[in-house]
Amino acid sequence: DVKVTQSSRYLVKRTGEKVFLECVQDMDHENMFWYRQDPGLGLRLIYFSYDVKMKEKGDIPEGYSVSREKKERFSLILESASTNQTSMYLCASWANTEAFFGQGTRLTVV
Amino acid sequence: EDQVTQSPEALRLQEGESSSLNCSYTVSGLRGLFWYRQDPGKGPEFLFTLYSAGEEKEKERLKATLTKKESFLHITAPKPEDSATYLCAVRERNTDKLIFGTGTRLQVFP
Repeated sequence: DVKVTQSSRYLVKRTGEKVFLECVQDMDHENMFWYRQDPGLGLRLIYFSYDVKMKEKGDIPEGYSVSREKKERFSLILESASTNQTSMYLCASWANTEAFFGQGTRLTVV
Repeated sequence: EDQVTQSPEALRLQEGESSSLNCSYTVSGLRGLFWYRQDPGKGPEFLFTLYSAGEEKEKERLKATLTKKESFLHITAPKPEDSATYLCAVRERNTDKLIFGTGTRLQVFP
């Protein structure tokens, strides 16, 4: 089974902190994605990556950056966390016919 | 602009009462339409991929169909364990992004 693992299920951070959300996949997929999910807004794409060291902005990249140093790992970085970044963050790994999601990280910024 | 719209937002069914969920889309070049199931606090779980109009896929009580403008997820004789949010997404040809709808929250009562 494809596995996409996010490092934390729940995180609480303070405003202004630098936050790292980690995602690892074990199927050698080239494509990886970061989404955030908010009630009434659905899943919105933050960043995606087609290969190591490659990244593309999604629909809402402001306040975020990403890192893809190894094929299996795609990190989302909140440079200076703000309360409006409180959300559920979902990582996905892409095969030709399916996108597999991690279990999600519920981030609360206080 | 690429768009995915799901209806209804919420659906309450009695156990055994069949119904359909709708996903209409506008995208410049479809490379696949995807259905996911999401339980509260968890990541989306892949159900189906459809590629061309007329295609159908089935899994237990679920059947997905595709036309040129929309997809339906038919639920036959649902059970309480089918209660979840069902998400639809389209893969856009040029960018390879997955664009999600906001989902239909299904509740099945015994």
